[in-house]
Amino acid sequence: DTAVSQTPKYLVTQMGNDKSIKCEQNLGHDTMYWYKQDSKKFLKIMFSYNNKELIINETVPNRFSPKSPDKAHLNLHINSLELGDSAVYFCASRGRGGLETQYFGPGTRLLVL
Amino acid sequence: AQSVTQLDSHVSVSEGTPVLLRCNYSSSYSPSLFWYVQHPNKGLQLLLKYTSAATLVKGINGFEAEFKKSETSFHLTKPSAHMSDAAEYFCVVSDPYNTDKLIFGTGTRLQVFP
Repeated sequence: DTAVSQTPKYLVTQMGNDKSIKCEQNLGHDTMYWYKQDSKKFLKIMFSYNNKELIINETVPNRFSPKSPDKAHLNLHINSLELGDSAVYFCASRGRGGLETQYFGPGTRLLVL
Repeated sequence: AQSVTQLDSHVSVSEGTPVLLRCNYSSSYSPSLFWYVQHPNKGLQLLLKYTSAATLVKGINGFEAEFKKSETSFHLTKPSAHMSDAAEYFCVVSDPYNTDKLIFGTGTRLQVFP
C-alpha cells in the first residue's frame, strides 16, 4: 500500500484556472507538508500542518491555499494559475517526535500553459 | 541561517567504482543532516540521517555518510556503484528552531555508466 499518495500525478491547465491537488497518508502521522520543486530541481517547503492546524507558511502567494479536512489529508488549492506555478509539487508526512523521517509522495507534475 | 551546499551538480562514475557526493553545511547549532534520493519521475526517499549519535551513518542500498564537524561536511559514499543508483541526490539540513522545516541542497545528479 502506498504510504503517501497524491492525485493527480500530472496536471496540465491554462493560465487563470483554479486547480486542486490532493494528498493522503495512511501512516497515522500528525504532520503533513507541501513542497514545490522547480525546473532546476530545487525543493522548498511551502506549508506544514500538524493535526489540521497550519504550522509553517513560507511566504507563498495567497493564491495557494492548503486545506486539511482531517489529519490524514492535506489538499492544495491554487487559484488563478500562473506560468510560474509550473513545477512538481510534493506532499510529505511525518510522525511525532522532532526528527522523525519525512515520507514523500510521488509528486504532482503541474504544467501551466 | 542553516544551509547546505552540494559541491557538484553532476557526478559520473562507472559501474563498480566508488561514489562520492559532496555536501557542506552551515549551521549555528549541531545540525541534523539527511540524504534523500529521487529516482526519475519518483518521489524522494530517505537514504540516511545524522542526529548527533554516531558520526558514521549507514543507510540503505550500501550508502553511508560521515559527519565531520571540523570540515562542516556530510559527504555521501558508496564503495561500488550500481546502475540502479543513477538518480538525483539531495543533502538536507533541518532548521534547529523548527525541526519541521527541511532545507534542501540543490541536488547532485549521479550518472552510472556500464
